[in-house]
Amino acid sequence: IAGITQAPTSQILAAGRRMTLRCTQDMRHNAMYWYRQDLGLGLRLIHYSNTAGTTGKGEVPDGYSVSRANTDDFPLTLASAVPSQTSVYFCASSDGGLVAFFGQGTRLTVV
Amino acid sequence: QKEVEQNSGPLSVPEGAIASLNCTYSDRVSQSFFWYRQYSGKSPELIMSIYSNGDKEDGRFTAQLNKASQYVSLLIRDSQPSDSATYLCAVNFLDNYGQNFVFGPGTRLSVLP
Repeated sequence: IAGITQAPTSQILAAGRRMTLRCTQDMRHNAMYWYRQDLGLGLRLIHYSNTAGTTGKGEVPDGYSVSRANTDDFPLTLASAVPSQTSVYFCASSDGGLVAFFGQGTRLTVV
Repeated sequence: QKEVEQNSGPLSVPEGAIASLNCTYSDRVSQSFFWYRQYSGKSPELIMSIYSNGDKEDGRFTAQLNKASQYVSLLIRDSQPSDSATYLCAVNFLDNYGQNFVFGPGTRLSVLP
């Protein structure tokens, strides 16, 4: 692994189902972020973690939860998916305040 | 509410011309500013960062920052068709939980051969 890996790359999900988007980095960056990107709205922060063991809410946290048990992993969980959560999700990491690295994205469609 | 604004475009320029992309932000205490390039269907990639007022040049790219006017711009000289992408402006700010970033909606640039 080099950089940030997200899984799955795409998913079609039935409304009401629970889903976890996975994100793993191998750069030992302290801070990690989850964004969603929607046409015309740009990247919006869902949740973030500045170090292992801590998390915070971003601009659009409702319907999502995260955990940061260790430095490398930062999963995003949708407890009960709704169609408005259809989006492209990006995980990112930074070291020293520079958001330099993004994962390849997960395209999620909730039907 | 911290906001970052950009013209959505599309901005069309002929090959070889200078492309000028603009960004304004609402939070006066922001100290770090970034430009990302995103090709269609791909993830954003960092191309420039700027922290002090004035200009910063890197190859064909120049970032300009004016904190008093809360304005950041990106100039692309000798534009190439391969520069056609969406350019995202990002602003860093510090809150009770640490450092975070707010992105603008992006400006779509089209460089015409």
